[in-house]
Amino acid sequence: QGQLQESGPGLVKPSETLSLICTVSGGSIRSYYWNWIRQPPGKRPEWIGYGHYSGSTKYNPSLKSRVTISVDTSKNQFSLKLNSVTAADTAVYYCTRSTVDTAMVIGYWGQGTLVTVSS
Amino acid sequence: DIVMTQSPDSLAVSLGERATINCKSSQSVFYSSNNKNYLAWYQQKPGQPPKLLIYMASTRDSGVPDRFSGSGSGTNFTLTISSLQAEDVAVYYCQEYYYNSGTFGQGTKVEIK
Repeated sequence: QGQLQESGPGLVKPSETLSLICTVSGGSIRSYYWNWIRQPPGKRPEWIGYGHYSGSTKYNPSLKSRVTISVDTSKNQFSLKLNSVTAADTAVYYCTRSTVDTAMVIGYWGQGTLVTVSS
Repeated sequence: DIVMTQSPDSLAVSLGERATINCKSSQSVFYSSNNKNYLAWYQQKPGQPPKLLIYMASTRDSGVPDRFSGSGSGTNFTLTISSLQAEDVAVYYCQEYYYNSGTFGQGTKVEIK
């Protein structure tokens, strides 16, 4: 099954860039699509986007102008950058793996990391 | 924008009884070229990430107990727990993956009566 571990700052200032890395262990990053999902406390999850080792990406239109997802096969990691953050971007951010055959169905989730946007 | 609406927001069911959760999409998630509905269900227990239960509206993920079943097509879908167990206490979410937004429903909290 493998493991996914998020890392990055837990506190980001408004207008700055949120940056997270997910390390994939126990499997190849060349398989699957690698999605980021966030969930504000007490609210529904929100799909942010995905990346693939081929370079293919897809983003939620509501976030597309601020998001970049990239996959680093040499480090078995993928990353999320979200710029110009506001308090509305405060959430638990999950790095996740798709199912074998469907890019946006989440077959496996990391434990998540809380990112707070505050000055 | 597509909107996913679940009902009810919460329900309390006796152990061993049936629990039924509904999910309605504002636009169809049926893909006619392969006859599939692009709808998934997840279970989230407190302090844990969500877990995939069902995809393509009715296909159980590997290892998911057969008391969980999904049905529906087009814009109306149902998740049924045929005989509620104590470990099924959780919030359940539907998610469409037909459109580029991967929108989730607001969640339905299932408790023991």
